[in-house]
Amino acid sequence: QQQVKQSPQSLIVQKGGISIINCAYENTAFDYFPWYQQFPGKGPALLIAIRPDVSEKKEGRFTISFNKSAKQFSLHIMDSQPGDSATYFCAATWGATNKLIFGTGTLLAVQP
Amino acid sequence: GAGVSQSPSNKVTEKGKDVELRCDPISGHTALYWYRQSLGQGLEFLIYFQGNSAPDKSGLPSDRFSAERTGGSVSTLTIQRTQQEDSAVYLCASRPSGDTQYFGPGTRLTVL
Repeated sequence: QQQVKQSPQSLIVQKGGISIINCAYENTAFDYFPWYQQFPGKGPALLIAIRPDVSEKKEGRFTISFNKSAKQFSLHIMDSQPGDSATYFCAATWGATNKLIFGTGTLLAVQP
Repeated sequence: GAGVSQSPSNKVTEKGKDVELRCDPISGHTALYWYRQSLGQGLEFLIYFQGNSAPDKSGLPSDRFSAERTGGSVSTLTIQRTQQEDSAVYLCASRPSGDTQYFGPGTRLTVL
């Protein structure tokens, strides 16, 4: 129940294309869903986050789509760039502790 | 301003030795987390500190793992009698009053 399932494991996209990463959860107590971006040798960095009271959030080229009834959420990267090549983690948390439950990660490669 | 810092950046130790990993959170951040990132287990929560409250130790994998946070700032994660399966990147994150956790670069631990 505490798991967050993420797919695909890896993704190759051409420059200018759309990258889509999907996550699913079971625990309906989750109330905050962040996406983290991680470059090799660095710690994860928050990219964008959403709460379940909205169905979509957009920040620049990054959009989260959230489907509460299906318990799924996804990250869309528009106009993907080689600099977006990184590992992306979805996560979920709940309550006051905010301890993050991470998905398994998606390695994105954007080809020039 | 300065981000979360961790030391050492790399640590190689022999099986059975004790190790100490240090985290300096962002000044003023009241919450501090330790996570572990490994190929087999992904990113997993270890322990959470909030102010003067008792820490949430629910993610510690065994009693060989312990952590403390002194003066509400610096934290040390100690692993006793290290095993090869302890090899991983240990990440520290701190959080102000909001939701976002800010991660350090991690300590890569290799147990020979």
